[in-house]
Amino acid sequence: NAGVTQTPKFQVLKTGQSMTLQCAQDMNHNSMYWYRQDPGMGLRLIYYSASEGTTDKGEVPNGYNVSRLNKREFSLRLESAAPSQTSVYFCASSEARRFTDTQYFGPGTRLTVL
Amino acid sequence: GNSVTQMEGPVTLSEEAFLTINCTYTATGYPSLFWYVQYPGEGLQLLLKATKADDKGSNKGFEATYRKETTSFHLEKGSVQVSDSAVYFCALSDRRSGAGSYQLTFGKGTKLSVIP
Repeated sequence: NAGVTQTPKFQVLKTGQSMTLQCAQDMNHNSMYWYRQDPGMGLRLIYYSASEGTTDKGEVPNGYNVSRLNKREFSLRLESAAPSQTSVYFCASSEARRFTDTQYFGPGTRLTVL
Repeated sequence: GNSVTQMEGPVTLSEEAFLTINCTYTATGYPSLFWYVQYPGEGLQLLLKATKADDKGSNKGFEATYRKETTSFHLEKGSVQVSDSAVYFCALSDRRSGAGSYQLTFGKGTKLSVIP
């Protein structure tokens, strides 16, 4: 039981390049989330998917797109990377979209945009 | 909107010292409250939670009580160990967050270092 997995662990991009961050969970969870973590800022929600086939914007969606490929997988795409997107990205999942639910986090992807 | 304020770090303690990390919140509804912990190089994991007023969450010797009257959820541990060195995040979720959505709102995190 791997929980939430993310690839890659590290990535360096040049400004304007594109890339996709991959996330998968094996807990049969309905909801999945993408966060970014910046020093002194805590975690901020980029996008979430309440259930397979749906996605919604979070607090900081600009410059990102997401795809809920199936129940297990939720990817985050940067179409044209900018230095302001240098951050650590975390994927998370939860059983259902209730306010009491625990979210389970992946190990993170450290992205640097030059 | 919702917000979480937790004490600034870093906090450095000697082993076996008492730990308190303060957390207060602002929410429009009746939130659930969480403490997450992030060990170096890892993702966040749930430490404890409380879903209604006066509930006490506890795990691994850590405790926090949901105080609605003071809008607080302070984290405490009686005797910290070196292995407790990590970043601690207070968070809330509220059934009224957004347009009927559910989101976690995080504090900025408090880094704890425990020295032998």
